[in-house]
Amino acid sequence: DIQMTQSPASLSASLEEIVTITCQASQDIGNWLSWYQQKPGKSPQLLIYGATSLADGVPSRFSGSRSGTQYSLKISRLQVEDIGIYYCLQAYSAPWTFGGGTKLELK
Amino acid sequence: EVQLVESGGGLVQPGASLKLSCVASGFTFSDYWMSWVRQTPGKTMEWIGDIKYDGSYTNYAPSLKNRFTISRDNAKSTLYLQMSNVRSEDTATYYCTRGGYDFDYWGQGVMVTVSS
Repeated sequence: DIQMTQSPASLSASLEEIVTITCQASQDIGNWLSWYQQKPGKSPQLLIYGATSLADGVPSRFSGSRSGTQYSLKISRLQVEDIGIYYCLQAYSAPWTFGGGTKLELK
Repeated sequence: EVQLVESGGGLVQPGASLKLSCVASGFTFSDYWMSWVRQTPGKTMEWIGDIKYDGSYTNYAPSLKNRFTISRDNAKSTLYLQMSNVRSEDTATYYCTRGGYDFDYWGQGVMVTVSS
């Protein structure tokens, strides 16, 4: 199985701060990477697909990038409503595998 | 508006069977691959498997393949997850999701607790 190592596991940041979360794939997964946000008590929501494409309705402060087998999710200016848990998912080789999650809190 | 509504969860004893349902609305169900994902109480996410839009192909996480079965009824716009011989480690919130490679809509989730 492909391992997705997500970091950090938790993150405390201030409003308007730039936040970056990364996922390291254990092997090449191309652009078969998506990011999800789970707000407290809610279901996950798709943020980014194809490593860099913004899902419908997602604010432009969210962006995804790739460098080799490292994938990053960037929030350009953290807002209160961005608090929650973030997950990456690889869908290159079955079984699809999620990262361990990053819990984002306000400082 | 796309909606996915799961049902069928609850408290079950180890070794029992359980069937979850997910009723879809707001889109043409038969056009989409569908998937099941679960989240443990510790917030770990696990992909369970998926099913092709016409039901002709299914794909599973190897660790679950022998106990879980995904099916669908396109006439009823309903996705199913049949769970057999459940174990304590199957305790989780189960989500129905739209898509095969990325999941653009999720249900509200249904809790399954396996305990004697």
